[in-house]
Amino acid sequence: AQKVTQAQTEISVVEKEDVTLDCVYETRDTTYYLFWYKQPPSGELVFLIRRNSFDEQNEISGRYSWNFQKSTSSFNFTITASQVVDSAVYFCALSDYYIRYQLIWGAGTKLIIKP
Amino acid sequence: ETGVTQTPRHLVMGMTNKKSLKCEQHLGHNAMYWYKQSAKKPLELMFVYSLEERVENNSVPSRFSPECPNSSHLFLHLHTLQPEDSALYLCASSQISGSGAYNEQFFGPGTRLTVL
Repeated sequence: AQKVTQAQTEISVVEKEDVTLDCVYETRDTTYYLFWYKQPPSGELVFLIRRNSFDEQNEISGRYSWNFQKSTSSFNFTITASQVVDSAVYFCALSDYYIRYQLIWGAGTKLIIKP
Repeated sequence: ETGVTQTPRHLVMGMTNKKSLKCEQHLGHNAMYWYKQSAKKPLELMFVYSLEERVENNSVPSRFSPECPNSSHLFLHLHTLQPEDSALYLCASSQISGSGAYNEQFFGPGTRLTVL
């Protein structure tokens, strides 16, 4: 069965520190998609990235970067030089052929950036 | 309006009331979703409407009733709710393509529901 594990319940760092959020997934499928979402205190879930299982290149978008490692079934998210506005709950999610257009969600990691 | 909108943003209701949550997507997507987000619990998928098909989570009580009159609008009808139904209700939409690509879901701001 599909599963997404975000073992870090809460992380607290001081502004400008780098921080990595872990995501480990399970699926029997060879074709699958991984996602990261951000949920700020306002409540709305904001899409950050989608990655398919055939593309293992790391992705960088400004201060955000994602490391996809099929060998360890991980899709980790790093924020470089964190800012207070990065404070939010971050969710990792998975979709594969068996669940198709639905998503399996991790429990989320609450990130607190202190000034 | 752009993206996914939800109304109302906040709702307080008694256990005997009947109310409805509304969601509208302006993205031209062909699938819409209702999620429930309770404190300290994972995001819970309640219902999916896609390509005129409805998929539901069997654990959702019958006091929640979805309606999807067209691909842009989604409702969640509520009746005789319980205090444990208090939560953030999120609507989302996505585009399902024939190629099998599983596209990202875009979310509305949610309705914060309190049942007294």
